[in-house]
Amino acid sequence: DAKTTQPPSMDCAEGRAANLPCNHSTISGNEYVYWYRQIHSQGPQYIIHGLKNNETNEMASLIITEDRKSSTLILPHATLRDTAVYYCIVRSHTGGFKTIFGAGTRLFVKA
Amino acid sequence: DTGVSQDPRHKITKRGQNVTFRCDPISEHNRLYWYRQTLGQGPEFLTYFQNEAQLEKSRLLSDRFSAERPKGSFSTLEIQRTEQGDSAMYLCASSLLSEPGEQYFGPGTRLTVT
Repeated sequence: DAKTTQPPSMDCAEGRAANLPCNHSTISGNEYVYWYRQIHSQGPQYIIHGLKNNETNEMASLIITEDRKSSTLILPHATLRDTAVYYCIVRSHTGGFKTIFGAGTRLFVKA
Repeated sequence: DTGVSQDPRHKITKRGQNVTFRCDPISEHNRLYWYRQTLGQGPEFLTYFQNEAQLEKSRLLSDRFSAERPKGSFSTLEIQRTEQGDSAMYLCASSLLSEPGEQYFGPGTRLTVT
């Protein structure tokens, strides 16, 4: 599975959009981009995933560049409860079964 | 269904003792995963089941670790002769066969070995 690079930490003001970047320049054609988050002392929570097209659900939007070498997770109106570590993961739906988590981005939402 | 559950939530044990953790996945999920997480790090994959078959084990899973999923429902993770380095959060996750990357995690079991 391809490796991802994320900034170690970011700040965001409450009510503003949080834009979390992820680089995955070695992504293969059959690999999906997944985002999870982990709030302190809880298990990771699945947020969203996509292959090529931009995706949106009730939690977030995922924007994938045309060359698929990077993506951005957007939380449109961040709240204090969105303070968490956000993990960007790239994996295929075939082959190995493990999902490799990196260190993620620690997002601080400030009042 | 209320999601993935794990028991116990916390376990303190003395070095050398055996411990067993339980995971109950979401009922319709065929796949079940175990991860370990230490402070400040992302979860590390340990092992994976598809129904009752254990299909992959990480090199992190030493001979002291064993996992089972009898009848393809709940799973147990046992650590024998615990060491202080085993202190970590042990996370269980489950997914549908068709969505292997969309994993739903339990709250974890925090193990402290004294």
